[in-house]
Amino acid sequence: EVQLLESGAGLAQPGGSLRLSCAASGFTFSNYPMGWVRQAPGKGLEWVSVINAAGSGTNYADSVKGRSTVSRDNSRGTLYLQMSALRAEDSAVYYCVKIYDFSSYFPDYWGQGTLVTVSS
Amino acid sequence: EIVLTQSPGTLSLSPGERVTLSCRASQSVSSNLAWYQQKPGQAPRLLIYGASTRATGIPARFSGSGAGTEFTLTISSLQSEDFAVYYCQQYNMWPRAFGQGTQVEIK
Repeated sequence: EVQLLESGAGLAQPGGSLRLSCAASGFTFSNYPMGWVRQAPGKGLEWVSVINAAGSGTNYADSVKGRSTVSRDNSRGTLYLQMSALRAEDSAVYYCVKIYDFSSYFPDYWGQGTLVTVSS
Repeated sequence: EIVLTQSPGTLSLSPGERVTLSCRASQSVSSNLAWYQQKPGQAPRLLIYGASTRATGIPARFSGSGAGTEFTLTISSLQSEDFAVYYCQQYNMWPRAFGQGTQVEIK
């Protein structure tokens, strides 16, 4: 069974930084691209970033580009998202997602999500 | 950038009814479209990919159709557990995009 467990969220200050982690299990982590999708309270879904299976290629939404870094540790089966220069509009539930495969970048499994609140 | 427009915004229906949700893309996405279901307080769940292929474990009452710019998700007979928000998502081009969602609520 695929399991994705996010951690590292909570309250962060505007202009501050945070690091989210996602521990994956139930599949061969190093074979699949992974990503982050977020959802502001009461709003729809927004792609944040993706990383290929090897960790050598990434893609970011314009809303976080230049402020975020997605990375992975295939030896630990863990995905990361580092965000800086946080803004109020970064407040959202952040979902870790497994990507279907290298040729079809859509999520097929989602974690339960972790809430990030950016507020002073 | 591709924009996905879902309609209607909200549907009020009774159990047993047939449901048809629409997703329109601002330019062709071929068949590279997925549908997700999200219930309150839960993560989204993949229903359909490739416009018409059901994901693992998805009941046969869910079906998808379409290609290019016009897509449909159909629920043949609405069950109580199907009341949720449904999102489409294109994976033909970057940046990836989700539609704004259609809420299916109990009438």
